Amino acid sequence: DADVTQTPRNRITKTGKRIMLECSQTKGHDRMYWYRQDPGLGLRLIYYSFDVKDINKGEISDGYSVSRQAQAKFSLSLESAIPNQTALYFCATSDSGQGYGYTFGSGTRLTVV
Amino acid sequence: DAKTTQPPSMDCAEGRAANLPCNHSTISGNEYVYWYRQIHSQGPQYIIHGLKNNETNEMASLIITEDRKSSTLILPHATLRDTAVYYCIVSVGGANNLFFGTGTRLTVIP
Repeated sequence: DADVTQTPRNRITKTGKRIMLECSQTKGHDRMYWYRQDPGLGLRLIYYSFDVKDINKGEISDGYSVSRQAQAKFSLSLESAIPNQTALYFCATSDSGQGYGYTFGSGTRLTVV
Repeated sequence: DAKTTQPPSMDCAEGRAANLPCNHSTISGNEYVYWYRQIHSQGPQYIIHGLKNNETNEMASLIITEDRKSSTLILPHATLRDTAVYYCIVSVGGANNLFFGTGTRLTVIP
């Protein structure tokens, strides 16, 4: 099994719908992240969490919310999806934020129509 | 975190060394240089990192200039599976997150 598992792998949803992307990890890492990647661009940070009680906004948090249900689970929600949220979403974990220790999931490709 | 500058794309012949440059002229003394790569649309994968000294592991070598303003990632014998986008990142250890720029798209040619 993968260390960082994202579900679903692909999702098509309609404008205005609420959608949740889920991430679970078996690394035992404290820190979890949600990134977004648009075609031809690098990854941009949406939200990050250092532990269950610590949630922080990243550079592009508008339109998104997150929930850290447990150390191993970190969910990303789009309350009312819009077409420009069509992107590839990655969950990542790290142990105390050391830059060499990031482990990424396989990504969720989200299309909002 | 310091910004980095990388060429948008490079080609390399299969079996030859791939040398990927990165400029980070504003790097601070406590910032590390990290390299990740992203194959197709998979999640990025850690390759190597360094602070001052050159580093080598089973995947690659990292050469950091003495003034630390630039570095080079070396894949000694590139294979087709090394075709990917390579990200050079500078960051302090324990930073809130890693800033991924647009990277260098390396294409290994048969």
